[in-house]
Amino acid sequence: DAGITQSPRHKVTETGTPVTLRCHQTENHRYMYWYRQDPGHGLRLIHYSYGVKDTDKGEVSDGYSVSRSKTEDFLLTLESATSSQTSVYFCAIRPDRTSYGYTFGSGTRLTVV
Amino acid sequence: EDKVVQSPLSLVVHEGDTVTLNCSYEVTNFRSLLWYKQEKKAPTFLFMLTSSGIEKKSGRLSSILDKKELFSILNITATQTGDSAVYLCAVGNAGGTSYGKLTFGQGTILTVHP
Repeated sequence: DAGITQSPRHKVTETGTPVTLRCHQTENHRYMYWYRQDPGHGLRLIHYSYGVKDTDKGEVSDGYSVSRSKTEDFLLTLESATSSQTSVYFCAIRPDRTSYGYTFGSGTRLTVV
Repeated sequence: EDKVVQSPLSLVVHEGDTVTLNCSYEVTNFRSLLWYKQEKKAPTFLFMLTSSGIEKKSGRLSSILDKKELFSILNITATQTGDSAVYLCAVGNAGGTSYGKLTFGQGTILTVHP
């Protein structure tokens, strides 16, 4: 969809294990975002990036880390997965500082058992 | 902390009805308000509003922003079953490194019965 893909699409993992989700874009957009979506909470920002190696925390960043070593890839890592991190994770991209034309990936459904 | 509140949280109507979805916000450095529609997967963009009182329209959907009272409404007329979705409101921040960052509301689940 519009040059953004997320992998995996679904994952089941055990409590305490590390998990990495990948967001890949072919649009060469500078800004990339990771959101989680839970019932009753809408989309909440976890981390975002405004360039290679430039990242910042969002409102629900505890227990998550990110890395962006290339423009096209933004990785989200759950350092030690907990059941509270069971959620649907969306990546989004935005071309530049003045544009609000976010494009979302199709999401990753993560279940922590 | 930026805050966006949508109401109602869910709504069930019949085809042909008109619905109004509400979004109120508190945000520092307001830049814009956006509406998204989410069906099974990723949210898709509907409208972006930056100025008060100017209605944006697309087919049966329309939206307006009131920057004085800090709210927006999304109207859908002559609803169809294909309008069934979650409607998300988001507000964009214009400050510093938060520039462009979106804060979302909880969403309104709209169900349209035939």
